[in-house]
Amino acid sequence: GAVVSQHPSWVICKSGTSVKIECRSLDFQATTMFWYRQFPKQSLMLMATSNEGSKATYEQGVEKDKFLINHASLTLSTLTVTSAHPEDSSFYICSARGFGGTEQFFGPGTRLTVL
Amino acid sequence: DAKTTQPTSMDCAEGRAANLPCNHSTISGNEYVYWYRQIHSQGPQYIIHGLKNNETNEMASLIITEDRKSSTLILPHATLRDTAVYYCIVRRDTGNQFYFGTGTSLTVIP
Repeated sequence: GAVVSQHPSWVICKSGTSVKIECRSLDFQATTMFWYRQFPKQSLMLMATSNEGSKATYEQGVEKDKFLINHASLTLSTLTVTSAHPEDSSFYICSARGFGGTEQFFGPGTRLTVL
Repeated sequence: DAKTTQPTSMDCAEGRAANLPCNHSTISGNEYVYWYRQIHSQGPQYIIHGLKNNETNEMASLIITEDRKSSTLILPHATLRDTAVYYCIVRRDTGNQFYFGTGTSLTVIP
C-alpha cells in the first residue's frame, strides 16, 4: 500500500510554544489529508479535513485558530498546534487519500507532550 | 455515516481463528464496511473492506450478512502480532473521512 510518513514521531515542548507536525505522502499525490487526535485509551477523533490548495474543514469543537492546517502541496500537509498547553498532549495521526481514491493511508502518528 | 457497535474486548488463543463481530444496523445501500486495526502507539492499518459480498485477502476474511446489518472479521490463524484494537467503520464510497468508534481490543493469548 501507499506510504504516509509523519515528522516528528514524538515531540516535547513547553507550555505556550507552538509545534508543527508534518504529514507526507511518499509515493502518491494526496488530494485530501485528514488529521486525527487520540487521547490515551480512547479512539481516534477526526479533527479536520484538508484539500490541497484550499482551507481545511474543521470538525465541530475543534478550534481552527489553535490547530492551523496547511496543505500547500500534493505531498505535504502540516498541523501547527499554537500556544500548546498540557491538555493538548495527545497522539496526532494523519491520513491521506489520492486522486479518485477511496482508500485512506494512515501515518505512524506523532506523540506530543506539552510540559 | 452509520454508527457501528463492537464488543469492547475479546481474547483468542494463538493459532485459532479470531472472529470479531460488528453491528451496523443503520447502514445504507451505498455504505461500505471497512476494518482497520491499530497496534499500540501506531497509526491504523487497513485490513479489508466490502459492500455486500464476502471478501478475503491475505490478512483476513470479511463476512457481511445478507441484510448488511452486521459483519464479522475473521483472522484465520491468529498470532501474537495480531493483538491490537480493531475498528469497524461504515462509510460511503466517496472517500470521505472515517469516524472511528471505540473498536474491539483483541488479545491473542499464547
